Amino acid sequence: DTGVSQDPRHKITKRGQNVTFRCDPISEHNRLYWYRQTLGQGPEFLTYFQNEAQLEKSRLLSDRFSAERPKGSFSTLEIQRTEQGDSAMYLCASSLHANTEAFFGQGTRLTVV
Amino acid sequence: KQEVTQIPAALSVPEGENLVLNCSFTDSAIYNLQWFRQDPGKGLTSLLLIQSSQREQTSGRLNASLDKSSGRSTLYIAASQPGDSATYLCAPGPLMGGNKLVFGAGTILRVKS
Repeated sequence: DTGVSQDPRHKITKRGQNVTFRCDPISEHNRLYWYRQTLGQGPEFLTYFQNEAQLEKSRLLSDRFSAERPKGSFSTLEIQRTEQGDSAMYLCASSLHANTEAFFGQGTRLTVV
Repeated sequence: KQEVTQIPAALSVPEGENLVLNCSFTDSAIYNLQWFRQDPGKGLTSLLLIQSSQREQTSGRLNASLDKSSGRSTLYIAASQPGDSATYLCAPGPLMGGNKLVFGAGTILRVKS
């Protein structure tokens, strides 16, 4: 296993379009997290899953954002009707259990033009 | 609500120096604390995880300490090298609520050759 994998690495989209990102966690990890990071800031929590259940969503996650983790494996994060303020790095992380070491992917850099 | 502050915001040192990065957090109800490294445009790489019951954790030239009661952690880097240049982020893991990490803005380190 090569760690947490995210796809695509970069995405440029026009304002108003929908985008979807994928995250493949480390295979035995049952916890999966999404974070967003803007320039010069640390990552901010968006949502997390335990297996296929989405347990918490941040207030940052507006109605235009939706995340899924079917079958408790990979996860997708969809942003509908993108806005310029959505431009950021979207990071995925996984951990074996709660309170164990978190491992991050390389992120998806979204640019909304 | 957990707030994390990292000092200094940026640091530039000549190669070979020993240095200390500081992290403070407001809520001491933590299960552990992780230190990460982030290279420009990349994801986060986990460096060290300290459990709340531990005082120190070492990996190679890195040593992290934790004083939970005072809400402080330090990352000590010995004999710095140009390859250490990156942004360093600390993130306390909450006692409750899974592994939802709260990050500081990081310390940008530049090691000059």
